[in-house]
Amino acid sequence: DAGVIQSPRHEVTEMGQEVTLRCKPISGHDYLFWYRQTMMRGLELLIYFNNNVPIDDSGMPEDRFSAKMPNASFSTLKIQPSEPRDSAVYFCASRKFSFRDRGLDTQYFGPGTRLTVL
Amino acid sequence: AQKITQTQPGMFVQEKEAVTLDCTYDTSDPSYGLFWYKQPSSGEMIFLIYQGSYDQQNATEGRYSLNFQKARKSANLVISASQLGDSAMYFCAMRGGKLIFGQGTELSVKP
Repeated sequence: DAGVIQSPRHEVTEMGQEVTLRCKPISGHDYLFWYRQTMMRGLELLIYFNNNVPIDDSGMPEDRFSAKMPNASFSTLKIQPSEPRDSAVYFCASRKFSFRDRGLDTQYFGPGTRLTVL
Repeated sequence: AQKITQTQPGMFVQEKEAVTLDCTYDTSDPSYGLFWYKQPSSGEMIFLIYQGSYDQQNATEGRYSLNFQKARKSANLVISASQLGDSAMYFCAMRGGKLIFGQGTELSVKP
C-alpha cells in the first residue's frame, strides 16, 4: 500500500492568500484526521471524518479553516485568508476501524505539509 | 477529561543500551488504547506500538516493548539495544474517542 499521501510537502505563501492542503488516505480506511503540529502547541487534532462525514471539528481554530472530504479517497484542508500564525506542519492520518483486531485501529500518518505564511 | 503526560523533554542513551521513555495518562473511560509514535528529523510520524486497555500482556514489537501498568496509569516505552537511528522525537498517545498526544520526548542515541 502507498500509505497516506499528502501534497504539497512544502508550501510558502504570503499572508492573506488562500492555502489548500490535500490528502489521500490509505485505501479502505474509513476515518481521516487532520492534525497541526507546532513547537508551542505540539500535535493538535483539527478535525476528523468517518465515512466522509465530519464528526468533530472542535479543533478547527477559526472560521478561516475549513475541511472537506468529497469522497473516500480525497480530503482537503483550506485556510482562507492565511496568517503567519498558521505556519506549522499539517498532518493527515487515516485508520480503519475494526472490532476484532484493535491493532488495526491504528492511525497511520502522511508525511505532512510544512506551511510557511510570510 | 483525558490527558497524556510525558515528563522527559529530552533523554540521552548510549548506543546498544536500553532506554525507557515515560508516559502517564488520565482517563475515566474504561476502554482506551495507548500508542507510541516516532518522529525522526525528517518529520513523518511512524507508528511503533499499541496497547489496548483490556490487553493482559504488555505489547512488544521487535526492540520496542510497552510497560503497561494500568493501576498506575502508565504506559512507558522501552527500547532495547538502542541504535543511532533511534534518535528522534517520541510521542505517547491515547485514544478514547479522539487521539490525543503528549508533548513528546526527544531521544538522542550517542555512539
